[in-house]
Amino acid sequence: NAGVMQNPRHLVRRRGQEARLRCSPMKGHSHVYWYRQLPEEGLKFMVYLQKENIIDESGMPKERFSAEFPKEGPSILRIQQVVRGDSAAYFCASLPSQGTEAFFGQGTRLTVV
Amino acid sequence: DQQVKQNSPSLSVQEGRISILNCDYTNSMFDYFLWYKKYPAEGPTFLISISSIKDKNEDGRFTVFLNKSAKHLSLHIVPSQPGDSAVYFCAASARGAGSYQLTFGKGTKLSVIP
Repeated sequence: NAGVMQNPRHLVRRRGQEARLRCSPMKGHSHVYWYRQLPEEGLKFMVYLQKENIIDESGMPKERFSAEFPKEGPSILRIQQVVRGDSAAYFCASLPSQGTEAFFGQGTRLTVV
Repeated sequence: DQQVKQNSPSLSVQEGRISILNCDYTNSMFDYFLWYKKYPAEGPTFLISISSIKDKNEDGRFTVFLNKSAKHLSLHIVPSQPGDSAVYFCAASARGAGSYQLTFGKGTKLSVIP
C-alpha cells in the first residue's frame, strides 16, 4: 500500500508564476490536509478537503491560494503569482473517513526566485 | 495565538537514558493528541496518539502522558537511541467539536548522543 505521494519534491518558480502541487492520498483515504512549514516554524494548517468538498479552509491565505480534491485524481494546491514569501515546504496528509491519525507525504519544497 | 506550545526548541539526551518531550495546549476543546517525528527533508511520521479519555498510552519505547487539568502532555522515550534524533511535533484536534484540523506545535529537536 503506497503511502501519500506528493509531486514534485522540489519546485522552483520565478516571482509571478503559478505553482501547482499535487498530492495522491493513501489508497482508501478520502480526506486530505495541506500544511505549510516555513523555515524554523512548525506546521501551519492551510486546508482540509474531502472528495469534491472543501471542509475547512481557515488557514488558506485569502488571495492567490486555492485547493481542490476532485472525484478522480490527486488533490491540487495552486498558488498563483507566487512571491518570495511563498517559499516553504508544503506537506499533504491523508486519513480515512473514520480514521484518527493523518499520514504525511514527503512534501514539496517550493522555492521562489 | 499559539494553541499548541512546545517550549523547548531542542533537547540533548545520552543514549540509553530517558527523553522527555513536553507540550502544552490552551484550547480546552482539544480532545485528541498526537506526536509526530520528522527527519530532515522528509514528511512527519505518526508516532503515537492519545484520546482525552485516557491519561496514558504506551507503544514500545514510547509513552504519552496526558494531564488534562494542566493542559499538558509529554512524550517519554526510553531507552533513547541515536536513531531517535529528529524533530518531534505535538499536534491536537477537537474531534468532539467536529473539527479534524490538526494544530501543531513548533517542534522540539531531539539529539541522542551515542
